[in-house]
Amino acid sequence: GAVVSQHPSRVICKSGTSVKIECRSLDFQATTMFWYRQFPKKSLMLMATSNEGSKATYEQGVEKDKFLINHASLTLSTLTVTSAHPEDSSFYICSARSVRQGDTGELFFGEGSRLTVL
Amino acid sequence: GQNIDQPTEMTATEGAIVQINCTYQTSGFNGLFWYQQHAGEAPTFLSYNVLDGLEEKGRFSSFLSRSKGYSYLLLKELQMKDSASYLCAVLDSNYQLIWGAGTKLIIKP
Repeated sequence: GAVVSQHPSRVICKSGTSVKIECRSLDFQATTMFWYRQFPKKSLMLMATSNEGSKATYEQGVEKDKFLINHASLTLSTLTVTSAHPEDSSFYICSARSVRQGDTGELFFGEGSRLTVL
Repeated sequence: GQNIDQPTEMTATEGAIVQINCTYQTSGFNGLFWYQQHAGEAPTFLSYNVLDGLEEKGRFSSFLSRSKGYSYLLLKELQMKDSASYLCAVLDSNYQLIWGAGTKLIIKP
């Protein structure tokens, strides 16, 4: 299957700093990328949907100014957690999908990034 | 509203068979996915059903009935490594994935 690479896999930062997480589709062009957050013992929560070249669509309750998403190319989307606080500590996962005729719409997931804010 | 229901937790014995059910009510339907997720890891794709019927893939099979809004994931010859959460997700009319809360499967020796 297609490969999605997410980096970094683990990051520890101080409160008040910003952290950038990258999501790359390595062998296909991702017209759409999704960013998820997973709380302990909970399922994935969709944060936002980003389409290449346009602004991300955020889910209700997700702060746009805090979680900056950029999908500048068909193979790269970034999530920047700005002015991070301890409550932002979580597992962040990206997924990518290529919507072309005949595609199943299957999502390919990155490995996830565990953010710890001290 | 959109809703996906699946059991919170199930327990099964190594070597046995287990069926995890999923019912859904969504605005439109463009397919149903099953994902496996081990603790601390990202989900991995197991199956995709868009037509009614059973899709078999090795030890795992997935069934879909669109008229009933129902799917199940069948795991045969259970192994300890199958202990994980199993997520049911539906692609709605806007191609948004609607996720279930996941079923935690515990395998006992």
